[in-house]
Amino acid sequence: NAGVTQTPKFQVLKTGQSMTLQCAQDMNHEYMSWYRQDPGMGLRLIHYSVGAGITDQGEVPNGYNVSRSTTEDFPLRLLSAAPSQTSVYFCASLDGGGGYTFGSGTRLTVV
Amino acid sequence: DQQVKQNSPSLSVQEGRISILNCDYTNSMFDYFLWYKKYPAEGPTFLISISSIKDKNEDGRFTVFLNKSAKHLSLHIVPSQPGDSAVYFCAATGAGDDKIIFGKGTRLHILP
Repeated sequence: NAGVTQTPKFQVLKTGQSMTLQCAQDMNHEYMSWYRQDPGMGLRLIHYSVGAGITDQGEVPNGYNVSRSTTEDFPLRLLSAAPSQTSVYFCASLDGGGGYTFGSGTRLTVV
Repeated sequence: DQQVKQNSPSLSVQEGRISILNCDYTNSMFDYFLWYKKYPAEGPTFLISISSIKDKNEDGRFTVFLNKSAKHLSLHIVPSQPGDSAVYFCAATGAGDDKIIFGKGTRLHILP
């Protein structure tokens, strides 16, 4: 039982490049989310999904796309990376007790 | 507009004493509150939660108190231990959608 798995753990992008952050969970949780953590800003919700085929915007969705074709996977796409997207990204899935299980994070640097 | 506020960026407490971390919220629709603990280079881990129908929830050394009229909750850790040094995030949900909103976090230092 791996919980929530995020790949890659580290990534450096050039401005304008695109990439996909992968997130997979093996707990059959319906609810999944993406957060970014920045110094002094805490955890801010980017996008979330309440089940396969359903996604919605969080607090800071601009510059990011998501899709949820399966219960297990919830990838986050950066279509044209910008330095402002330098951050640590966390994927999380929600269990029935109301608690999130977080992945270990992806540290992204955009130069 | 911050809906979940943790106004103390950091807190230092002597080992063995009580640590009290505070959190305020603005949205009266929130009905479920959670605390998470985060060590460097790791994802946050769930610590304790409380529903708005309760005013207290206890789990070992951790107790969360909820004051709905003041829109305030606090996390008490007693006694504080060195391993409690971490960043603590307060979170809330239930405001008519499925979003879980986090505060900015409080860094707790347990002093020897």
